[in-house]
Formats: sequence, structure tokens, C-alpha cells
Amino acid sequence: DARVTQTPRDKVTEMGQEVTMRCQPILGHNTVFWYRQTMMQGLELLAYFRNRAPLDDSGMPKDRFSAEMPDATLATLKIQPSEPRDSAVYFCASGLVIGSSTDTQYFGPGTRLTVL
Amino acid sequence: SQQGEEDPQALSIQEGENATMNCSYKTSINNLQWYRQNSGRGLVHLILIRSNEREKHSGRLRVTLDTSKKSSSLLITASRAADTASYFCATAMDTGRRALTFGSGTRLQVQP
Repeated sequence: DARVTQTPRDKVTEMGQEVTMRCQPILGHNTVFWYRQTMMQGLELLAYFRNRAPLDDSGMPKDRFSAEMPDATLATLKIQPSEPRDSAVYFCASGLVIGSSTDTQYFGPGTRLTVL
Repeated sequence: SQQGEEDPQALSIQEGENATMNCSYKTSINNLQWYRQNSGRGLVHLILIRSNEREKHSGRLRVTLDTSKKSSSLLITASRAADTASYFCATAMDTGRRALTFGSGTRLQVQP
């Protein structure tokens, strides 16, 4: 049963520290998404990749966040330096996009980040 | 900004009753999807309805789409305690950005 995996599941860190979150998309999927979920803002899209190329990272604070796909089996989201307002659950999702349609996305279990 | 807004924000029903959640959106869409999120877990895809469809069924789920009113509804029939979760609608736009835009969600509590 293929699924998206994310590590770590929980991360507690101090303000100013670097945080790296990792995601392994489902094999064969060509699109990877990073979302952030908070009580106040709900689910927000941070970035997404298609065939490993970044297509949209307009939702991401560029000065401290960066997202990459070094290869087809790994997506990373990095925050440097982290701030308390970055505390949230970060989800990775993958999907298979054919043509212009955006269909089902498969979500990982999330990384719960707490920045003290 | 969120494209979809769900109504109600919270819903509490008894097991066996039906639950209806509504979603409104603002722009032209290619498809609309419903996801479920159990507490502390990731989102799970439930059903997708395309802009040229009006109704779709999957097990105890029934989804309707009215593109003229830019609204959709999710009906869960014969609810069970295990249906307790948050439910989100998500829209895929017709042009431009290909990522989904999620609504604010409806928290459903099914009392045993």
C-alpha cells in the first residue's frame, strides 16, 4: 500500500535554529506539494513541484524558507532561521498530474513543528 | 486566501443520522474534491467531482456540485462514530495555478 512518508513526525526546536523536514512521495507521482496547517490560517500551500521543478512557491516566506527536490524520491523543506510563528503542522502531498487537471493528492502524516 | 468556505464550521449528530456539509467557492474550477482529516493525522481523499458532473456517489458518500451557484455539498448517510473527523473541500482551478485550494473545514462529531 503506497503512501507518502514524512520525517520527522515531531520536531521541537529553539528560535533561530535550522529545521529540515523530509518527504518521500509515492513512487511514480510527478507532483509534490508542501502545505502548512495552523488553527488560525487553516491549510496553506507553501510550494509545489512538478517533475522536480518548482512551479509555485509564492506561499512561502522566501527569506527563511526553501524547498527542494534533490531527486524523485525526496523533497525537503527547510526553515532557517526558525521563528515561533513557524510552529504548525507541515504536510507533504504527492499526486499524478496529467495534462492540465489537478486530481487526487495523497497526504503524508505531517511534521508537527514547535519553535520555542 | 482560501477559495472554499465550509458550512457549518462544526456539526454534532447522533450515530445513524445523516450529515450534510456545504462548500462555497469563488472562481471557475476544473474539479472539486473532499478530504477527511482525523485528529492528528494527514488528509485522506474521499471523492472528486468534475465541473461537468452534478452528482457523485461513493459508498455512504454523496457529493453534489452546482457550478452556477459555485457550491458543493457532501452528504454522509447513516453516520458512524468512526466518521468523526474534519472534512475539507478543495478546489482545482480551471486555469493558472494547479495546486488545490482548501476550505476552512467542517468538524463533524458523531455521538455513539
